[in-house]
Amino acid sequence: EVQVVESGGGLVQPGGSLRLSCAVSGFTFSRYWMHWVRQAPGKGLMWVSRISGDGAGTYYADSVKGRFTISRDNAKNTLDLQINSLRAEDMAVYYCARGTITGASFFDFWGQGTLVTVSS
Amino acid sequence: DIQMTQSPSTLSASVGDRVTITCRASQSISSWLAWYQQKPGKAPKLLIYKASSLESGVPSRFSGSGSGTEFTLTISSLQPDDFATYYCQQYNSDSSFGGGTKVEIK
Repeated sequence: EVQVVESGGGLVQPGGSLRLSCAVSGFTFSRYWMHWVRQAPGKGLMWVSRISGDGAGTYYADSVKGRFTISRDNAKNTLDLQINSLRAEDMAVYYCARGTITGASFFDFWGQGTLVTVSS
Repeated sequence: DIQMTQSPSTLSASVGDRVTITCRASQSISSWLAWYQQKPGKAPKLLIYKASSLESGVPSRFSGSGSGTEFTLTISSLQPDDFATYYCQQYNSDSSFGGGTKVEIK
């Protein structure tokens, strides 16, 4: 059974940093692209970032480029998102999602999400 | 960037109704389109990928069609469990989502 579990969310001041993590099981993690998708309170979904199975390829939405860094540890089956210079508009539930074995893709398994709150 | 526009934003329907949601892309995305269902407080659930392929375990009353820039999600006979918000997603060039369509009880 595929499981995806995010952690690391919390309350952060504007300009602060946070590291989100995602632990997965039930599939060969290193074969799949992995993604972060976020959803601001009461709003729609926004793709944030993706990383290739070997970690060599990373892509970001323009609004987070230069502030967010996606990474993975295939030995530990974990995916991370380092978020720096947090802004009010970054406040959202952040979901970790499995892509496919090829680049941009749909997402067939999602975690339950972790909430990032930005407030002074 | 590819913009995705869904319509309507809200839809009121009754159990048993046939429901159609439209998604338009700002440029051609071939058939690289997925549909998701989301209920309050829950993660999205994949329904359809590659415009018309039904995800395993999804009821056959859900179907998708279209290619290029115009796509539709159809629920042939709305069931009580189907009242939710639906999103389209393009994955032709990175990824972007439509604004969502909330299906409400009439």
